[in-house]
Amino acid sequence: SQKIEQNSEALNIQEGKTATLTCNYTNYSPAYLQWYRQDPGRGPVFLLLIRENEKEKRKERLKVTFDTTLKQSLFHITASQPADSATYLCAPPPQAAGNKLTFGGGTRVLVKP
Amino acid sequence: NAGVTQTPKFQVLKTGQSMTLQCAQDMNHNSMYWYRQDPGMGLRLIYYSASEGTTDKGEVPNGYNVSRLNKREFSLRLESAAPSQTSVYFCASSEYSSGRAGETQYFGPGTRLLVL
Repeated sequence: SQKIEQNSEALNIQEGKTATLTCNYTNYSPAYLQWYRQDPGRGPVFLLLIRENEKEKRKERLKVTFDTTLKQSLFHITASQPADSATYLCAPPPQAAGNKLTFGGGTRVLVKP
Repeated sequence: NAGVTQTPKFQVLKTGQSMTLQCAQDMNHNSMYWYRQDPGMGLRLIYYSASEGTTDKGEVPNGYNVSRLNKREFSLRLESAAPSQTSVYFCASSEYSSGRAGETQYFGPGTRLLVL
């Protein structure tokens, strides 16, 4: 069956280091993947979208890669700051676009000063 | 622009009571979604509406009904609330036009529902 999976274990990281989060998908070939940030008690907020023909996308201290061979997207937060502490969600195209999958379970990141 | 708004912010129900969660967006988006999120779990899609006049089931539709009232509004109804429906409910919208166009979803602030 189709799956989109993220590491459910929280990622604890020291301020200034790079956090790397993984999103793996199975039996599926998404045209693009999106990454969202969710703070406690709030709705997810869109960060980045990467298409299947793009290897890498950057936005300020964020970087996303998309490896269609490994069926994996990596999300990097460089020079991490305590304000980056949140849950990060990987998402395929939404169901209105004909996709059956929904968001990955998310990975919580805690950046310690 | 307010984006996506949801009412109420918080609600307590007794088992068996009914209620409607309201959602509205002012971005002229075609598609709208209802999700629930339980502690320690990801977002699960309840229902979605790809365009005005259409609705489809998501992953967890049982116990819910939806109405796409017009392009702006998408409501979620619990006919007979159960404790298992205690959750945070999020509404979202996206400008769906083509599956390959890039469909960012914009989320509302959520409704926290407690069913006793």
